[in-house]
Amino acid sequence: GEDVEQSLFLSVREGDSSVINCTYTDSSSTYLYWYKQEPGAGLQLLTYIFSNMDMKQDQRLTVLLNKKDKHLSLRIADTQTGDSAIYFCAESAPTDKLIFGTGTRLQVFP
Amino acid sequence: EPEVTQTPSHQVTQMGQEVILRCVPISNHLYFYWYRQILGQKVEFLVSFYNNEISEKSEIFDDQFSVERPDGSNFTLKIRSTKLEDSAMYFCASSRDSGDEQFFGPGTRLTVL
Repeated sequence: GEDVEQSLFLSVREGDSSVINCTYTDSSSTYLYWYKQEPGAGLQLLTYIFSNMDMKQDQRLTVLLNKKDKHLSLRIADTQTGDSAIYFCAESAPTDKLIFGTGTRLQVFP
Repeated sequence: EPEVTQTPSHQVTQMGQEVILRCVPISNHLYFYWYRQILGQKVEFLVSFYNNEISEKSEIFDDQFSVERPDGSNFTLKIRSTKLEDSAMYFCASSRDSGDEQFFGPGTRLTVL
């Protein structure tokens, strides 16, 4: 069945890069997404990548996709305290539903 | 900037009671979704809705759940007889077209006592 896995926690120093990893199982996913959830808030789409791409860069965010290994990563350059949140990887099923990972809690300390 | 809104932000109910969670999707969107997140767990798909019909539903979405678009703006999730395990954050989402970005609301926290 469809499954998306992430590590639960990541702690980085302000100014360093953060790399959040995700593995998924459904090779038919068309898009893969990264969502950010701040405390008490909804899910904010950060970026997404089409399944036929290897990399996408958007300002401080870089998404890498290894389709062979079904591995997705999100790199945040120059991580700031405002980046502290839970980051969810999600894949789109052949239907429209999103399948989310467990979420990675990113803590940025000064 | 248009956004998805949800009311109430927090609902407390007794086990066995009916609850209705309300969502106002973005006005020109045609596809609507409900997801839920039990505390500390993954966000899980419940149901998708298009053209006044359910497009897809998960195993979680059993007979005690129903969705409705009662007018041109609201999209509701009804739980007929709540159970303790229904306690979760419920997120509504909408998208303009199939496969487009889904915009999420802030969620309704449902607590069943």
